[in-house]
Amino acid sequence: GQQVMQIPQYQHVQEGEDFTTYCNSSTTLSNIQWYKQRPGGHPVFLIQLVKSGEVKKQKRLTFQFGEAKKNSSLHITATQTTDVGTYFCAGALNTNAGKSTFGDGTTLTVKP
Amino acid sequence: EPEVTQTPSHQVTQMGQEVILRCVPISNHLYFYWYRQILGQKVEFLVSFYNNEISEKSEIFDDQFSVERPDGSNFTLKIRSTKLEDSAMYFCASRRDVAAGNIQYFGAGTRLSVL
Repeated sequence: GQQVMQIPQYQHVQEGEDFTTYCNSSTTLSNIQWYKQRPGGHPVFLIQLVKSGEVKKQKRLTFQFGEAKKNSSLHITATQTTDVGTYFCAGALNTNAGKSTFGDGTTLTVKP
Repeated sequence: EPEVTQTPSHQVTQMGQEVILRCVPISNHLYFYWYRQILGQKVEFLVSFYNNEISEKSEIFDDQFSVERPDGSNFTLKIRSTKLEDSAMYFCASRRDVAAGNIQYFGAGTRLSVL
C-alpha cells in the first residue's frame, strides 16, 4: 500500500534557527497537504500543493512539491517558540474518496 | 469560522463495551472521515464517507467498526466491542468537495480510554 515517510522524526532548534522537514511518498501523488499539530491538539491545515514543482509561501513557511509529485518539504525560516508542534504531511492519490495517508510527522521543539 | 465538533472529548469504557463517538462536520461539507492517533504516533486513516455510504476504509476498520450519518448533521463512529488496543485519540474530519482537493478540517478529537 501507499507509504508516506517523513524525516527527521524530531528536530530541536534554537530560536532563530531554520527548520526543514522532508516528506517522501512511495507513489506519485495527486496532491499533498501539510498540517500542524500542537501538543495535545488536533491537526490544523496549513497548505495544499497540487502542481508539480509548486512552491508556496506563508510568511516564514515555504512549502515545495517535487517535480515528480512524490516528495515535498516544509521550511521554516527563523523559528519562533510558537512554531513548536508536530508537522505532518498527508498525501492523496486522487480527490475521489479523498483518503489522505499521513506521514509519521516531525516534532519540532524550539529553545528560547 | 465553521468548525468540526466532536463529543465527548474523553470517553472511558470497559473492554468489551460498545462506544459511539459523535461528530458534527462543517455544514456544507460533503465528505467525512475518521482517523485514529495512538499516543505519540501518526494519524491513521480509518474510513471515508460520502453520499451516505463508505467510500474507502483501511485495514484497521474491521467488522467491529461502523459509521453512520443518522441525520443531516451528525456523523458517528461505533466500536462494537472495544479492545485495549482501541485506546487512542479519534479525530473526525470533513472536506468540502472535490474542488477543494483533499483539504480536510479536523475536530478536536475524542480520547478513548479502554480499561
